[in-house]
Amino acid sequence: DQQVKQNSPSLSVQEGRISILNCDYTNSMFDYFLWYKKYPAEGPTFLISISSIKDKNEDGRFTVFLNKSAKHLSLHIVPSQPGDSAVYFCAAGDMGTYKYIFGTGTRLKVLA
Amino acid sequence: GAGVSQSPSNKVTEKGKDVELRCDPISGHTALYWYRQRLGQGLEFLIYFQGNSAPDKSGLPSDRFSAERTGESVSTLTIQRTQQEDSAVYLCASPQDKTNYGYTFGSGTRLTVV
Repeated sequence: DQQVKQNSPSLSVQEGRISILNCDYTNSMFDYFLWYKKYPAEGPTFLISISSIKDKNEDGRFTVFLNKSAKHLSLHIVPSQPGDSAVYFCAAGDMGTYKYIFGTGTRLKVLA
Repeated sequence: GAGVSQSPSNKVTEKGKDVELRCDPISGHTALYWYRQRLGQGLEFLIYFQGNSAPDKSGLPSDRFSAERTGESVSTLTIQRTQQEDSAVYLCASPQDKTNYGYTFGSGTRLTVV
């Protein structure tokens, strides 16, 4: 029973355009949501996060949107760059314990 | 240290052998997490240490898996009688600072059971 789902295993986007990565969760008790980026042979690196009291958080080219009623979050990257090509994981869980459940990832390829 | 270090980076072992994976967390961090990622899967929580409290072992998949941590230092994850389904990248993490409640991950140990 997957509590965090990323239904698109892969996504290709042209350089300069917007990349939208989606994530759904089932547990309404989750209060913190994160996105990680992972390059091959490296550990995941933190990208951006959002708490359940907000519906949007922005950091440069990266914006995370949270729709609590739909139990859905998305990561927008604009403009997309070739260096953004990586696997993106969303995670959800408990801010108090730092214990998170991760999705299966979406492989983003940004085409030059 | 400044980051999370894991060793070895790669380990190939024969089915049935025991393996030990090591994690050296960020200095001074009381919490430490182990996750694994099997091929085509998300990151799967294994175990969580917080200071001197009893560890949260709820994610360990079987009694062949165990982990230890002495104080706020190095942790070892031990897998006994390895099976092919144990093949995965094993990741260790320390919490980041309170500004984002996320983790800093190590680069992982890729375990292959043949």
